[in-house]
Amino acid sequence: GNSVTQMEGPVTLSEEAFLTINCTYTATGYPSLFWYVQYPGEGLQLLLKATKADDKGSNKGFEATYRKETTSFHLEKGSVQVSDSAVYFCALSLTGANNLFFGTGTRLTVIP
Amino acid sequence: ETGVTQSPTHLIKTRGQQVTLRCSSQSGHNTVSWYQQALGQGPQFIFQYYREEENGRGNFPPRFSGLQFPNYSSELNVNALELDDSALYLCASRDQGAQYGYTFGSGTRLTVV
Repeated sequence: GNSVTQMEGPVTLSEEAFLTINCTYTATGYPSLFWYVQYPGEGLQLLLKATKADDKGSNKGFEATYRKETTSFHLEKGSVQVSDSAVYFCALSLTGANNLFFGTGTRLTVIP
Repeated sequence: ETGVTQSPTHLIKTRGQQVTLRCSSQSGHNTVSWYQQALGQGPQFIFQYYREEENGRGNFPPRFSGLQFPNYSSELNVNALELDDSALYLCASRDQGAQYGYTFGSGTRLTVV
C-alpha cells in the first residue's frame, strides 16, 4: 500500500539550531513527495515538494531531497526561528491519483 | 484570490445526529477534496469532487457524502454520527490543471458526544 512514516514529536529546539525531521514512504508507484506545515489555528500550507528522484525541494530555508534508494524525504533547516514553530506533515501523491497520503505530523517548538 | 473558507469553525453534535459542513473554494478551483484529521494524526482522504461529480473516495463508509456546487462551494454530510467521527475536517481545493496546488481551509472541529 501507500503510506508515510515520519519521526514522532514533539521536537523542541533552541533558536538557530539545526532541524531534521525524518520521513520515509512506501508507495505502489512513483510518488511525488511533499512537506506541509500547519500553524496554530490555520490550514495546511504546502512548504515544498519534489516530483522525481534526486529532486530537491526548498522554501523559506527548508530543504528536502527525494531519495528513491532509501525511500526518504527528510526535512532540514540550518537555523530555525521561533516563527517556525508548527506541525509539519510529510505526504505523498501518486501520479494520476486524487489524494494525498499524510504522515502523522511532527510538532516543532522553537524556544528563544 | 480569497482562499478556502470553512464553516462552522467548531461544532458539537450528539451521537446519531446528522451534520453538514461547508466549504467555499477559491474562484476557478473546480476540484475539492475533504480530509478527516483525528487528534494527533495526519489527515485522511475522504473523497474528491470534480465539476460536481465524485471522482475519488477513501476508506470511509457511505454515511459520509458530499456535494459540490457550480459556485465553487461544497458540503460534507455525515449521517448517524459516531463518537469516532470527532475530528478536524479539512477542505482542500485546486484548479484541476494545477496538480500539486491544493489550498487548504482552516477546518471545522467536530465533536460528537
